[in-house]
Amino acid sequence: EVQLVESGGDLVQPGGSLRLSCVASGFTFSNFEMNWVRQAPGKGLEWVSYMSGSGYTIYYADSVKGRFTISRDNAKNSLYLQMSSLRAEDTAVYYCARDRAARPFDSWGQGTLVTVSS
Amino acid sequence: EIVMTQSPATLSVSPGERVTLSCRASQSVFSNLAWYQQKPGQAPRLLISVASTRATDIPARFSGSGSGTEFTLTISSLQSEDFAVYFCQQYNDWPRTFGQGTKVEIK
Repeated sequence: EVQLVESGGDLVQPGGSLRLSCVASGFTFSNFEMNWVRQAPGKGLEWVSYMSGSGYTIYYADSVKGRFTISRDNAKNSLYLQMSSLRAEDTAVYYCARDRAARPFDSWGQGTLVTVSS
Repeated sequence: EIVMTQSPATLSVSPGERVTLSCRASQSVFSNLAWYQQKPGQAPRLLISVASTRATDIPARFSGSGSGTEFTLTISSLQSEDFAVYFCQQYNDWPRTFGQGTKVEIK
């Protein structure tokens, strides 16, 4: 069974930093591309970042470019999102989601809540 | 960036009714269009890919159609477990973009 489990969400002050993790199981992690998608409270879905299976190809949404860094450790079946210079508008549930070869996101984690507030 | 627009924002329907949700792309995404279902407190679940292919274990009452810029998700006979928010997403180009969602609520 495919499982994605996020962690690391917390309450953080504006300007602060946070690192999210996503641990994968039930599939060969290195063969899949991974994404972070977020959802602000009561709002829609916003794609945040993408990393290829090898880690060589990375994309970011303009809203987080220069502030967020995606990474992965295939030996640990883990995906990360390092977030810095956090703003109130970054408040959201952050999901990791799997895709492969330009297909949609076929598996999602349960999400982890990031709250940016003083 | 490709803008995805869903309509209507909310649909009030009775169980057993047929439901049609629309999604429009600001430029062609060919058939690279997915539909997701999200229930309160849960992660989104993939329903449809390539505009019309049901994902694993998705009931046959869900069907998708369209290509280019106009897409439709149809639920042939709404069940109680289908009351949820539905999102479309294009995966033809980066950034991946979602529609704002259509909430299907009980009438």
